[in-house]
Amino acid sequence: AQKVTQAQTEISVVEKEDVTLDCVYETRDTTYYLFWYKQPPSGELVFLIRRNSFDEQNEISGRYSWNFQKSTSSFNFTITASQVVDSAVYFCALSEPEKAAGNKLTFGGGTRVLVKP
Amino acid sequence: EAGVVQSPRYKIIEKKQPVAFWCNPISGHNTLYWYRQNLGQGPELLIRYENEEAVDDSQLPKDRFSAERLKGVDSTLKIQPAELGDSAVYLCASSYDSLGTGELFFGEGSRLTVL
Repeated sequence: AQKVTQAQTEISVVEKEDVTLDCVYETRDTTYYLFWYKQPPSGELVFLIRRNSFDEQNEISGRYSWNFQKSTSSFNFTITASQVVDSAVYFCALSEPEKAAGNKLTFGGGTRVLVKP
Repeated sequence: EAGVVQSPRYKIIEKKQPVAFWCNPISGHNTLYWYRQNLGQGPELLIRYENEEAVDDSQLPKDRFSAERLKGVDSTLKIQPAELGDSAVYLCASSYDSLGTGELFFGEGSRLTVL
């Protein structure tokens, strides 16, 4: 079974629109971490945000915000007022330290975001 | 601070030839990872090192893939012989946290095309 599912393969928006990326995860661990990474055309994955399983408080960081709901195993990510530079592939990832005895990220399939001017 | 450095950025080879990729992690990062990313998919872990020790190589196809991390710093990933299905981007990453709580820092990757 896929542990991290990103149902949206591609999203296209016009600049200044908000875009929300969905992520559903699967784990039996009580302690786990969720991440969002951005992969621009250059290929380098860039860390955006991290959340641990004990903290469901949703936050806003600049134009980024996230909605973590353990009840539905979802960790959605929103870019507010999108810009052309936000065009990239976004990956949701899961870390299960108890199972993997260390840092091992399991990635979803990614969602390509295209922001048109 | 320098990021994770990988080389080569691009490599085109014919099937059955060998190929090697090199990675220099961020200074002070004891944990090093090699991921493979197929086109249109998320990265998948091949091997993880803690210093010089390979602590997770369960996903590494050991019949043709090998990796080493001498002196616990730089690492090399080798494929011999390469097959058509090995065409992918090979990503190296490092982290200071080995407990699973921290972020990974990725290089730009080495894109392999096998003809």
